[in-house]
Amino acid sequence: GAVVSQHPSWVICKSGTSVKIECRSLDFQATTMFWYRQFPKQSLMLMATSNEGSKATYEQGVEKDKFLINHASLTLSTLTVTSAHPEDSSFYICSASVTGAEAFFGQGTRLTVV
Amino acid sequence: GQQLNQSPQSMFIQEGEDVSMNCTSSSIFNTWLWYKQDPGEGPVLLIALYKAGELTSNGRLTAQFGITRKDSFLNISASIPSDVGIYFCAGQLNNFNKFYFGSGTKLNVKP
Repeated sequence: GAVVSQHPSWVICKSGTSVKIECRSLDFQATTMFWYRQFPKQSLMLMATSNEGSKATYEQGVEKDKFLINHASLTLSTLTVTSAHPEDSSFYICSASVTGAEAFFGQGTRLTVV
Repeated sequence: GQQLNQSPQSMFIQEGEDVSMNCTSSSIFNTWLWYKQDPGEGPVLLIALYKAGELTSNGRLTAQFGITRKDSFLNISASIPSDVGIYFCAGQLNNFNKFYFGSGTKLNVKP
């Protein structure tokens, strides 16, 4: 299957700083990538849909100024958590699609804000 | 948004037993996907279904796309300890649209 790589796997940052998470499709071009947040023992919560070359579409309730998404190329999308606070601590996962009819996930990024 | 009801929420089974889990939706989908997620990892795609009535296998796993397009099930035959994890269903209405995820089924397999 298609490979999606997410970096870093885990990160600890101080409250008030910003953190960037990268999502790369390694062996295919992804017009569309998705960013999710997952709380312990819960399902995936879609944060935004990222389309190459255009602004991301955010789900209701997700602050676009806090969670900046950039999809600069067909193989890379980034999520920047700005001015992170402890409540932003979570597991963030991206997915990318080859045909638009399936989604391959990265390994996830565990963010801890202290 | 769309609501996917996935059941059961958790299962405790003996190694070698068969397992069945399902998802139902209030709306129709044109794509159903099934994933397995291990702790601290991203979900891994197990089976993709694209046609109503379609029955697809992947080793010991079999999934079906319901005729009504509002449901799907996943069967695991002869379970083994490495089947332990959380299984998610996901539905999509049209290509490149977002996916809606079920709440997950946590599978525990006792050796």
